Amino acid sequence: EPEVTQTPSHQVTQMGQEVILRCVPISNHLYFYWYRQILGQKVEFLVSFYNNEISEKSEIFDDQFSVERPDGSNFTLKIRSTKLEDSAMYFCASSEGGSVGWGELFFGEGSRLTVL
Amino acid sequence: SQKIEQNSEALNIQEGKTATLTCNYTNYSPAYLQWYRQDPGRGPVFLLLIRENEKEKRKERLKVTFDTTLKQSLFHITASQPADSATYLCALVASYNTDKLIFGTGTRLQVFP
Repeated sequence: EPEVTQTPSHQVTQMGQEVILRCVPISNHLYFYWYRQILGQKVEFLVSFYNNEISEKSEIFDDQFSVERPDGSNFTLKIRSTKLEDSAMYFCASSEGGSVGWGELFFGEGSRLTVL
Repeated sequence: SQKIEQNSEALNIQEGKTATLTCNYTNYSPAYLQWYRQDPGRGPVFLLLIRENEKEKRKERLKVTFDTTLKQSLFHITASQPADSATYLCALVASYNTDKLIFGTGTRLQVFP
């Protein structure tokens, strides 16, 4: 069964450093997303990406964050100058087409980011 | 203010019974509502989607209802099994013009033998 894969599964970084979280969405999917979940809290939307550009972003997704699809398979989330409060599980997701309401999102297993 | 709420207390039920989980929302008129399962330390897994013009959806032992008057969705698992133990998340899509899923906090279900 096709799946969304994420690397690394866990990253520990020092405050102020830059991190890149990587995702390989399902191959025929067109819509890509990043969500995050701070420990014990809700899953929160960060950004959606379609046709090589951001289609929607939340207020959390400020200039500290960026996304890129550098080739035909990878989808990355870059977090610059990390802060303690960026510590969370970051989930990549993809969907086949249309708005998210037309079908399911396939989530990866997440990348746990710990900022010290 | 806009809210989407699920029971924060865990639901404990005996194997074979029907589990019913509640999702209430305030100040939304959602186009769609989805239910996901999340196991500890893992990503959400899609279960069911229901649209605003649908009252009920079923899939195997799962059933979801959507009452736009009460602003509530109910999620039922019939003939529950210990393997159904997980956290169940509801998530809504606020309108037809957004890709964003807004999640509730989830309800932890524990099915004991």
